[in-house]
Amino acid sequence: KQEVTQIPAALSVPEGENLVLNCSFTDSAIYNLQWFRQDPGKGLTSLLLIQSSQREQTSGRLNASLDKSSGRSTLYIAASQPGDSATYLCAPPGGKLQFGAGTQVVVTP
Amino acid sequence: SAVISQKPSRDICQRGTSLTIQCQVDSQVTMMFWYRQQPGQSLTLIATANQGSEATYESGFVIDKFPISRPNLTFSTLTVSNMSPEDSSIYLCSVVDGSNQPQHFGDGTRLSIL
Repeated sequence: KQEVTQIPAALSVPEGENLVLNCSFTDSAIYNLQWFRQDPGKGLTSLLLIQSSQREQTSGRLNASLDKSSGRSTLYIAASQPGDSATYLCAPPGGKLQFGAGTQVVVTP
Repeated sequence: SAVISQKPSRDICQRGTSLTIQCQVDSQVTMMFWYRQQPGQSLTLIATANQGSEATYESGFVIDKFPISRPNLTFSTLTVSNMSPEDSSIYLCSVVDGSNQPQHFGDGTRLSIL
């Protein structure tokens, strides 16, 4: 069974700082990995999907990397804003997503 | 990406009753799933909703408690039966259309049982 770990569990930064969120997984036989954000009491919003053939995927201020051999993915958020405050989750897809506990991010003005 | 509508968005129910949650997608999708998120926890997969056949349940979840229907490629329902306070959670529908495609989630149904 796939085990997903996210570090740190929580992160609080002042506005403008860059964020680095880490995700590790035990089964490297994945073919892609997806990052989500969840606002309190809401569903999940898909941020990025990295295919196993890619090493990076970028969308605006977001950049995600994937290293299958080490079982790690990292989400970078540049120049953080208060609107980035949310819980960030990673999951190796393929239908039956296995989620870690997420990283709760607070960006203070 | 697919637009997913979940109804109801929230409900408060009495112990022992049942509630059916609907998930409607604006396009045909290959796979539909139901997840539960208990307070302060991450998401746990309940089952895969299979079109035209019985759902596939994960360990710890049974059909009698969480009956699921999927009559076509755009619609599914999850029923939470004989509810108890422990069933108070957010229930989320998700869809994916192909093995290398992103998975998308509905806004969830926040369920409270008194």
